Amino acid sequence: EPEVTQTPSHQVTQMGQEVILRCVPISNHLYFYWYRQILGQKVEFLVSFYNNEISEKSEIFDDQFSVERPDGSNFTLKIRSTKLEDSAMYFCASSEGGVGYEQYFGPGTRLTVT
Amino acid sequence: GQSLEQPSEVTAVEGAIVQINCTYQTSGFYGLSWYQQHDGGAPTFLSYNALDGLEETGRFSSFLSRSDSYGYLLLQELQMKDSASYFCAVIGEGNDMRFGAGTRLTVKP
Repeated sequence: EPEVTQTPSHQVTQMGQEVILRCVPISNHLYFYWYRQILGQKVEFLVSFYNNEISEKSEIFDDQFSVERPDGSNFTLKIRSTKLEDSAMYFCASSEGGVGYEQYFGPGTRLTVT
Repeated sequence: GQSLEQPSEVTAVEGAIVQINCTYQTSGFYGLSWYQQHDGGAPTFLSYNALDGLEETGRFSSFLSRSDSYGYLLLQELQMKDSASYFCAVIGEGNDMRFGAGTRLTVKP
């Protein structure tokens, strides 16, 4: 069964450093998303992406964040200058269609900022 | 702004039926989804309601009342493996999905 994959599974970085989290969505999916989940808390929407453009972004997704689909398979989330409060699990998801379609989540990347 | 309310914890025994309620306040509402998340795992899709009424998928059903800004997830014939967190999530017209705080379900033998 096709699945969303994410690398790395765990990333440790120092405050102020840039990180890039990578995702490979399911191959025939057209809509891509990033979410984060601080330990023990709810899943928070960051951004949705379609046709090489951001469709919607949350208040969390400020100028420190950016997304890119650099080729036909990868979808990346970049955090320019990490802060301690960026420590969280970051989930990538993809869906075949837009609003209302089932979103398939990857296993997540645990980001630890020290 | 948006807000979703769901109970923080529910406990039930194997074989029982449990209902997890979700009330929401949001603008630009398109539909309500439910996701399951086991500890250390990723959220997995359970159901989606865009119209009023009940959607049934095996042991799980989900209900939506748009006029009441209310929905619920019904889990029947509970099994131990159903112990997990359950999140309701509102879908906005911008294809953004906003999650509630989650309900931790514990199924006891």
